[in-house]
Amino acid sequence: QVQLQESGPGLVKPSETLSLTCSVSGDSISTKYWSWIRQPPGRGLEWLGYIYTDGSTNYNPSLKSRVTMSMDTSKNQFSLKVRSVTAADTAVYYCARTVYDYRGDFDYWGQGTLVTVSS
Amino acid sequence: DIQMTQSPSSLSASVGDRVTITCRASQSITNYLNWYQQKPGKAPKLLISAASSLRSGVPSRFSGSGSGTNFTLTISRLQPDDFATYYCQQSYSSLWTFGQGTKVEIK
Repeated sequence: QVQLQESGPGLVKPSETLSLTCSVSGDSISTKYWSWIRQPPGRGLEWLGYIYTDGSTNYNPSLKSRVTMSMDTSKNQFSLKVRSVTAADTAVYYCARTVYDYRGDFDYWGQGTLVTVSS
Repeated sequence: DIQMTQSPSSLSASVGDRVTITCRASQSITNYLNWYQQKPGKAPKLLISAASSLRSGVPSRFSGSGSGTNFTLTISRLQPDDFATYYCQQSYSSLWTFGQGTKVEIK
C-alpha cells in the first residue's frame, strides 16, 4: 500500500522560507513523478510542480522563481521549499504521486498539511 | 496556460439522481483529463484518468466522457457517499491545471 506523509512547520513568517518534506512508503521515489499541490482555505487546487526520479523538475511558472524541489532517495523522501512567502501562500499542502507523465494523474496523495503564513 | 472551467460551480441533488458535471478546456487537450473527488478535510481521490478510464476500486456509477475541449463526469445514481467537491485536471500541457471545482450538495 502506497502512503505519503507531509511534514514541516505549520507556521511560517512572511518573507521567510516554507519547507516541507513528503515521506513515501510502499513505493520507491527512484521511480515515477512526485508532485506538490496546494489548496488555500476554501479554494481550489493548484499544482506547484513535480520532481522526477532522475532529479529533473517541472515547476508551475507562477511560482517558479520561488520554488525548489529536491529528493533524498536514501530516506525515500522528497521536499519542497517556497521562498519569500506571503499570506497568499497560506494553504494546505499536499504531496502526490504520478506514475506516468503523459497521464499526469495523481493516484496517491498525502493527507495534507496546513501551512499558515503569519507574523 | 490551459484554463479549465467547470460547470456548474455547485448543484443540489437527491440520492438516486443522475448528476452530470461539465469541464471545458480553453484549448484541445485530446483526452488528457482526470477527475477527482474531495471531501471536507480530506485529500482529493482520483476517480477517472484519461477522460474515461475508471480507476480500480471506484464504483461503476461514476463515468467520464469527452475529448478535445469538452468533458463530462456522470454519476448515474447519486449515493450518500458521493456528496463532495469534484475537480477536473488536465495534463496535456507541461503546466498541469485544475478546474475550480463543483460542489455536489444534498437537496
